[in-house]
Amino acid sequence: GDSVTQMEGPVTLSEEAFLTINCTYTATGYPSLFWYVQYPGEGLQLLLKATKADDKGSNKGFEATYRKETTSFHLEKGSVQVSDSAVYFCALSDRGGGNKLTFGTGTQLKVEL
Amino acid sequence: DVKVTQSSRYLVKRTGEKVFLECVQDMDHENMFWYRQDPGLGLRLIYFSYDVKMKEKGDIPEGYSVSREKKERFSLILESASTNQTSMYLCASQIGSLNTEAFFGQGTRLTVV
Repeated sequence: GDSVTQMEGPVTLSEEAFLTINCTYTATGYPSLFWYVQYPGEGLQLLLKATKADDKGSNKGFEATYRKETTSFHLEKGSVQVSDSAVYFCALSDRGGGNKLTFGTGTQLKVEL
Repeated sequence: DVKVTQSSRYLVKRTGEKVFLECVQDMDHENMFWYRQDPGLGLRLIYFSYDVKMKEKGDIPEGYSVSREKKERFSLILESASTNQTSMYLCASQIGSLNTEAFFGQGTRLTVV
């Protein structure tokens, strides 16, 4: 079945540091890929998405590129802020699975001054 | 503005009680989902629904049931609550087209004592 593997946290960075959170996936079909973010005390919200190979999703300075050859969708940001502290979830939606999302375990990011 | 509302933020119930978690969306979305979120396990799908009165089991349906009598409302029912159902429960809704984002409620933290 479908699955998503993402790097374990917590990840602690200094403000303005470069961020990478690794995500790899296994899917039987041609999935769409998503990054969701969960700020403390809130539900999940979509950060970015990519629907086909080589697509790049971007939002709020975050980027991720859909790499079919390596089955990866790594999240990057060039300069993190304290306000980026949150839990980040990688997810996929497989067309054959009827649009439901399969999530990774989440990576907690803490950004310090 | 898009809104998914879960009826309670926090609930404390006793073992053996029948528990109802309610979720309402105001976006006329076809798809609705119930997930539970546990540390180190990410989000796991309990049940989902593509239309009124339709439901499908997710990855961990045991001990749960659902009801969707109206398009905007999706209820999760714990038939006889147990301590291992203590968790954060997240509801989501999604338009029926492929590759679309899911919108999440703020979550219900359920404690079974």
